[in-house]
Amino acid sequence: AQSVTQLGSHVSVSEGALVLLRCNYSSSVPPYLFWYVQYPNQGLQLLLKYTSAATLVKGINDFEAEFKKSETSFHLTKPSAHMSDAAEYFCAVSDSEAAGNKLTFGGGTRVLVKP
Amino acid sequence: DGGITQSPKYLFRKEGQNVTLSCEQNLNHDAMYWYRQDPGQGLRLIYYSQIVNDFQKGDIAEGYSVSREKKESFPLTVTSAQKNPTAFYLCASSIDLAGFGGELFFGEGSRLTVL
Repeated sequence: AQSVTQLGSHVSVSEGALVLLRCNYSSSVPPYLFWYVQYPNQGLQLLLKYTSAATLVKGINDFEAEFKKSETSFHLTKPSAHMSDAAEYFCAVSDSEAAGNKLTFGGGTRVLVKP
Repeated sequence: DGGITQSPKYLFRKEGQNVTLSCEQNLNHDAMYWYRQDPGQGLRLIYYSQIVNDFQKGDIAEGYSVSREKKESFPLTVTSAQKNPTAFYLCASSIDLAGFGGELFFGEGSRLTVL
């Protein structure tokens, strides 16, 4: 069975500072990995995804993530935080060999951006 | 604009009452999903459906039921057998269930509170 662990349920950053959200996964087969963002009382929106192409994935709003197989990690970064980045972020994994698009989500990391 | 519409956005019910949450999509997607979101636990899959008149249990199906009579619609009933129904419920869709690494599109969610 696959699983996702997000280190830190809450992260506080200053506006303009680096955003780093950590995600580690376990999967017995090559995974597909995703980062989603959720604004208060809304659904989730896809930020970026890794599907076995380039290991450094660029997404929307200057976010990017790097797939590191040796570390089973898929950490999300943004060089300079903006107030609008305040939201909850979810890492998710999909089993690339399973029949289906079912995602397993991490517990989420809530980002607070300080002015 | 294409998307997923969930209703109602907020719902209050007494214990012991069944509740049905609506989910409609006009994206022409084959696959649809219901997730439950609780603070700190990420999203957990309740049910999913690949085609009309077919659906499968997810990880936490007990106390829930679904139907898929039309491609566009995937309503979720929270029955009185669900021991802890208060949660945020998210409906999602994807192009097809076999689309490995495909994106999930989410509705804005329904917040159910059982009094």
